[in-house]
Amino acid sequence: DQQVKQNSPSLSVQEGRISILNCDYTNSMFDYFLWYKKYPAEGPTFLISISSIKDKNEDGRFTVFLNKSAKHLSLHIVPSQPGDSAVYFCAASETGANNLFFGTGTRLTVIP
Amino acid sequence: GAGVSQSPSNKVTEKGKDVELRCDPISGHTALYWYRQSLGQGLEFLIYFQGNSAPDKSGLPSDRFSAERTGGSVSTLTIQRTQQEDSAVYLCASSSLAGGGTDTQYFGPGTRLTVL
Repeated sequence: DQQVKQNSPSLSVQEGRISILNCDYTNSMFDYFLWYKKYPAEGPTFLISISSIKDKNEDGRFTVFLNKSAKHLSLHIVPSQPGDSAVYFCAASETGANNLFFGTGTRLTVIP
Repeated sequence: GAGVSQSPSNKVTEKGKDVELRCDPISGHTALYWYRQSLGQGLEFLIYFQGNSAPDKSGLPSDRFSAERTGGSVSTLTIQRTQQEDSAVYLCASSSLAGGGTDTQYFGPGTRLTVL
């Protein structure tokens, strides 16, 4: 029973354009959301997070948007670079919980 | 400094055998997590250790799975009588704060387990 869903397994974007990765969740108790990036043969690395008290968080080229009413969040990467090519995982948790719930990932390919 | 390390990086075993997977967390990190990623799935939580507290084992899929954390540092995940559905990448993560889902978790590279 997947509580965090990433419905697009892959996405290709031209270098310099915007990449938008989407994530949906079902558990209304989730109040903290994260994006992780994973290169082959490496573990996921933390990218950016957002608390449910906000609807936007920005860090350089990366912005995460949260729409609580729709139980939807998205990661925007602008401008996209070839080094951004990786698998991106959306994750969610609720305060006091010990674990993260992950989506299945979206493989982003940025074409030079 | 050194990140989270895991060994072995790959493990191939026969159905019915026991396996041990090792995780060395970042030095000083009190919280340690095990996850697994089966083919086409997201990361699935298995177990969580925090300091000297009793571990949260709520994610372990069966009693064939167990984990220890000795001296508050190194952890070993043991799978007894492995089955083919145990084939997955097993990931370990650690965090430095109080633990819990809102701490940034630092992941190791994982152990790819294949059960023939």
